[in-house]
Amino acid sequence: DSGVTQTPKHLITATGQRVTLRCSPRSGDLSVYWYQQSLDQGLQFLIHYYNGEERAKGNILERFSAQQFPDLHSELNLSSLELGDSALYFCASSAILNRGTGELFFGEGSRLTVL
Amino acid sequence: AQSVTQLDSQVPVFEEAPVELRCNYSSSVSVYLFWYVQYPNQGLQLLLKYLSGSTLVKSINGFEAEFNKSQTSFHLRKPSVHISDTAEYFCAVKAGRRALTFGSGTRLQVQP
Repeated sequence: DSGVTQTPKHLITATGQRVTLRCSPRSGDLSVYWYQQSLDQGLQFLIHYYNGEERAKGNILERFSAQQFPDLHSELNLSSLELGDSALYFCASSAILNRGTGELFFGEGSRLTVL
Repeated sequence: AQSVTQLDSQVPVFEEAPVELRCNYSSSVSVYLFWYVQYPNQGLQLLLKYLSGSTLVKSINGFEAEFNKSQTSFHLRKPSVHISDTAEYFCAVKAGRRALTFGSGTRLQVQP
């Protein structure tokens, strides 16, 4: 158990809809990262938050957004969903922003299926 | 920019045989290197990491990886695999302040 909690574990929805994925980082971790894992794209970095502030963006679509709340949990919002958004979405946390090893602790992921 | 290449998408191997999973990286600055493992229906777990010092790093379950700066490689090896090692293995690199960049993964299939 990594200590990172993601909900829901599975989600099935239709094209054009909007969903919210939730992540609770390990106790004490200030950094939250979101990754998308799909068969054709592999594991892609989406966005990084540190202590409530956005720190870096990766390959995140404009239809997607995220935020980190004062209690450090994070939400990834996916809107106007398309078939190609079907993927496994991982949240990961780490303790230290720029110092330290950069080791990430991953949740078990949220599997999104868009029909 | 940093990138990671895992040339082998799948590696079938018989139980108790040795295995090597290849990883090459590209970065203009010094890096930290990682191997993560993903078992079916689970998240990624750290297997081992290279930060500095000895170029040979080992995990608790018999895997080892060697950092080779001249060849920009960080290949993962195990002298004798078990059925339970069947999983997907991801090599990852961290350069500077950037988030971890992952390779495309190698599926290790251990056959009896």
